[in-house]
Amino acid sequence: AQTVTQSQPEMSVQEAETVTLSCTYDTSESDYYLFWYKQPPSRQMILVIRQEAYKQQNATENRFSVNFQKAAKSFSLKISDSQLGDAAMYFCAYRSGSVKSSGDKLTFGTGTRLAVRP
Amino acid sequence: DTGVSQNPRHKITKRGQNVTFRCDPISEHNRLYWYRQTLGQGPEFLTYFQNEAQLEKSRLLSDRFSAERPKGSFSTLEIQRTEQGDSAMYLCASSLSGDNYGYTFGSGTRLTVV
Repeated sequence: AQTVTQSQPEMSVQEAETVTLSCTYDTSESDYYLFWYKQPPSRQMILVIRQEAYKQQNATENRFSVNFQKAAKSFSLKISDSQLGDAAMYFCAYRSGSVKSSGDKLTFGTGTRLAVRP
Repeated sequence: DTGVSQNPRHKITKRGQNVTFRCDPISEHNRLYWYRQTLGQGPEFLTYFQNEAQLEKSRLLSDRFSAERPKGSFSTLEIQRTEQGDSAMYLCASSLSGDNYGYTFGSGTRLTVV
């Protein structure tokens, strides 16, 4: 079974600075997808960024980028120019590329709570 | 379309009572998922539907839990004889099969069993 580990329960960053959230995962599959979700206090999960395992190029979405290290099974999220609205819980998630092996479900880490200091 | 809608937002019930939650997915999405999230944890998969067919159920989904999606549109999740351990946020999400861009989540239903 796949597992996702987020070893930083809480992180803090100064507004306008850069912060990196860590995520590692364990899988024996070669085809999979990785996601970062943001969960603000309103509790609705929002997709921040995704990465296909077969792509070597790291995904970027505006101020958000990832450092995907497939061999190390690491998938960190970098937030540049942090804003007050970035304060939230951030969850790393894994999805198999094979529906037959693991269905269509996401496996989540335990999350990292990000605080942004004004 | 206003996204994935879940009702009620909050539910307080006494132990032993039955509760039912509703999820209305994005209209064109044929897949619908239920997750449970307890305090300090990430969401855990419960079950998912493609159209009206329930394709997978987690071992977390005990006999007291039942989910339906009768016409392939909205879904209900019922918990019978609630226990204090059922207190959690119940999240619904939807997606289009073949779309690998992740799910769209609802705001969840927070259940408190007293």
